[in-house]
Amino acid sequence: DIVMTQTPLSLSVTPGQPASLSCKSSQSLLHSDGKTYLHWFLQKPGQPPQLLIYELSNRFSGVPDRFSGSGSGTDFTLRISRVEAEDAGVYYCTQSTHVPLTFGGGTKVEIK
Amino acid sequence: QLQLQESGPGLVKPSETLSLTCTVSGGSISSSYYYWGWIRQPPGKGLEWIGTMSYSGSTSYNPSLKSRVTISVDTSKNQFFLKLSSVTATDTAVYYCSRWAGYWGQGTLVTVSS
Repeated sequence: DIVMTQTPLSLSVTPGQPASLSCKSSQSLLHSDGKTYLHWFLQKPGQPPQLLIYELSNRFSGVPDRFSGSGSGTDFTLRISRVEAEDAGVYYCTQSTHVPLTFGGGTKVEIK
Repeated sequence: QLQLQESGPGLVKPSETLSLTCTVSGGSISSSYYYWGWIRQPPGKGLEWIGTMSYSGSTSYNPSLKSRVTISVDTSKNQFFLKLSSVTATDTAVYYCSRWAGYWGQGTLVTVSS
């Protein structure tokens, strides 16, 4: 199975400041079709995960442009340009290049 | 707007079969190019992929659960289903259905206990 490792485990951010979350995979997530099936979710307490970024760098419908995804191979980053209070929660990266799909352990973001 | 809703028993006895239904509204489950799946989350823990069914009906399961899992569909009712057999306490979790990856149900807590 592909192991997804997220760092840091937690992050405390002042509103208006940027944030950067890391995700590393144990194998390359570049698919033979040329796409990288790395996705980012935000889960708020008591809610299902909500998709932020799909296939490495594409924002899902309705996701603010302060969220951006980047990376390649085994090393990926989610950036929030200016954190807002509503961005608090646990962020998960996940890969669907390889079966089984696997999730990272999550980064908890707290807003100061 | 696509919506998904899980339903099923909230309590299942050990060794029995967990059965859940995902009802899809606002879109057809037969639509091409989409994948429909189940994901679970034990209380206070992370997410685990259970399995996925493609628009063509083919299925893919997590090898750690494969011998116990079946995902099926009833297109006439716009529903898909999860069956997980021989459950134990470690199968206690919130179970989510999803049209991968952008649409999720609210989740349903299933507790395995006698």
